[in-house]
Amino acid sequence: QQPVQSPQAVILREGEDAVINCSSSKALYSVHWYRQKHGEAPVFLMILLKGGEQKGHDKISASFNEKKQQSSLYLTASQLSYSGTYFCGTGRGNTGKLIFGQGTTLQVKP
Amino acid sequence: KAGVTQTPRYLIKTRGQQVTLSCSPISGHRSVSWYQQTPGQGLQFLFEYFSETQRNKGNFPGRFSGRQFSNSRSEMNVSTLELGDSALYLCASSSPDRKAFFGQGTRLTVV
Repeated sequence: QQPVQSPQAVILREGEDAVINCSSSKALYSVHWYRQKHGEAPVFLMILLKGGEQKGHDKISASFNEKKQQSSLYLTASQLSYSGTYFCGTGRGNTGKLIFGQGTTLQVKP
Repeated sequence: KAGVTQTPRYLIKTRGQQVTLSCSPISGHRSVSWYQQTPGQGLQFLFEYFSETQRNKGNFPGRFSGRQFSNSRSEMNVSTLELGDSALYLCASSSPDRKAFFGQGTRLTVV
């Protein structure tokens, strides 16, 4: 079952904040976040394992609510370089298999 | 450390032909997964190999197959190509702590 991401698209001005949500109908073992720019490969942002942890690096952080089976990606003080499509991938068990959401397109304007 | 390397980067094939794509994972990574990316279906899981064994398989027809060698390099093969197989094929290698890193992909066009 594919996780559902919301919103599908968002447009921001530089310096604004954004939240991207990822929900699953199945129990999650891990949530993986990626950013993909047009014509490029998805780039790993972070992985969250079940336990409700929150992670972050630079101005991008994420939370994982195991009970609600959802994760949220927080982008604060957005920069032009944040533009791209964000994917969440859900993992079940200790394998490399990931099921990805449909993606959220983020556009940051000057 | 070198990243994930996929070859070739671009391919044009005719319907009915077969194709083999190659993926060299990051050194030390034993898990290699393959994904198909299309505008309509997004990123879809094809299969995962770990230590030369297929560990997981997605919902793709038997025309899609793969294998992994003892050095963890992996190949995927698509036989009897159809127009709908045109896509970006991505390979990801996973570290022991489950972080997956993607290669640049192979853009396959079937005409």
